[in-house]
Amino acid sequence: EVQLVESGGGLVQPGGSLRLSCAASGFTSSDHTMDWVRQGPGKGLEWVGRSGNKGDGYNTEYAASVRGRFTISRDVSKNSLYLQMNSLKSEDTAVYYCARGPVRGTRRPLDHWGQGTLVTVSS
Amino acid sequence: DIQLTQSPSFLSASVGDRVTITCRASQDISSYLAWYQEKAGKAPNLLIYLASTLQTGVPSRFSGSGSGTEFTLTISSLQAEDFATYYCHQHNSYPLTFGGGTKVEIK
Repeated sequence: EVQLVESGGGLVQPGGSLRLSCAASGFTSSDHTMDWVRQGPGKGLEWVGRSGNKGDGYNTEYAASVRGRFTISRDVSKNSLYLQMNSLKSEDTAVYYCARGPVRGTRRPLDHWGQGTLVTVSS
Repeated sequence: DIQLTQSPSFLSASVGDRVTITCRASQDISSYLAWYQEKAGKAPNLLIYLASTLQTGVPSRFSGSGSGTEFTLTISSLQAEDFATYYCHQHNSYPLTFGGGTKVEIK
């Protein structure tokens, strides 16, 4: 069974940093792109960024709103994905989801999501 | 960036009703359009991908159609468990984007 479990959320002050983790199981995450998507309180879904799969060297892509502040990385040995968030702003307050993307050569959407972890940026 | 405009943003319907939600893309996205269902406190659940392909395990009352810039999600006979918020999502090009959502409530 595919499972994605996020952790690391919490309360952080504006300008602070936080690192989220996503533990994948039930599949080989290195074969898939892996994404972060967030949802602010009472808002819709916003794509944050992506780590490509091993076929494309784990190339990363980011939304303009987080580029230069957030960094996505992987630990293949742990089947895990990370989101390092720096220079946090109040508008980064959201539930952050980890989601599984397609394998190389396919054009499928995000098909499995974790339950999310809440990040609150406030003084 | 490709903007996705969903309509309506809210709809009230009864069990057994046929419901249609529209998603319009600001540029041609071919068939790289997916639909998700989200219930309060839970992660989004993939319903439809490549505009019209039903995800495994999703009831057949859900269907999708369209290509290019115009897409629809149809629920042929609304069930109690279908009251939720629905999002369209384009994965044709970066940045990936989502529609604003359509909340389906009980009339």
